[in-house]
Amino acid sequence: GNSVTQMEGPVTLSEEAFLTINCTYTATGYPSLFWYVQYPGEGLQLLLKATKADDKGSNKGFEATYRKETTSFHLEKGSVQVSDSAVYFCALSDSTGNQFYFGTGTSLTVIP
Amino acid sequence: DAGITQSPRHKVTETGTPVTLRCHQTENHRYMYWYRQDPGHGLRLIHYSYGVKDTDKGEVSDGYSVSRSKTEDFLLTLESATSSQTSVYFCAISSLPSTEAFFGQGTRLTVV
Repeated sequence: GNSVTQMEGPVTLSEEAFLTINCTYTATGYPSLFWYVQYPGEGLQLLLKATKADDKGSNKGFEATYRKETTSFHLEKGSVQVSDSAVYFCALSDSTGNQFYFGTGTSLTVIP
Repeated sequence: DAGITQSPRHKVTETGTPVTLRCHQTENHRYMYWYRQDPGHGLRLIHYSYGVKDTDKGEVSDGYSVSRSKTEDFLLTLESATSSQTSVYFCAISSLPSTEAFFGQGTRLTVV
């Protein structure tokens, strides 16, 4: 079956620190992979995506590379800001189905 | 931003009463989804729709029903609300199963 496992939180970092949030997946077929971000009181917003192996998604300084050999899609940012404080969700969509599968979310707090 | 409106945004209801949540989209997307978000569980799929009058169950469908009589509207009904259905409910839409999903702002439902 399809599933997503992501790093447990919460994560607390100082401003300008390097961020990594780990995400691994299990999927049938050839999934597309996503990172979503959720700010307090809001819905999920797409942060970045990758649709095939070795693709790198990037947005707002965040990056993630689709690694088929390790079934991973880790989120990274070189220098976090206080405004990056949010909950981050890794997700996949299997092209053979109609569903999205989400990880449990990782809460990030960035302190000045 | 994708045109997705959820209503109501907040609701408190009593155990045993029926409740209907509405999701309205202006994007003409084929797929619509209802998720619930609970601490420690991430997002879990309740039901989804792949066209008018075409719906299917997700992983936590017990106690919920849905209807989609028009492309733009997807209704989620709790036939007889229970305290375990206290949650934040999100609607999402997508044009194809392997493309990104766009989320509404959520409905916070409390069953007392």
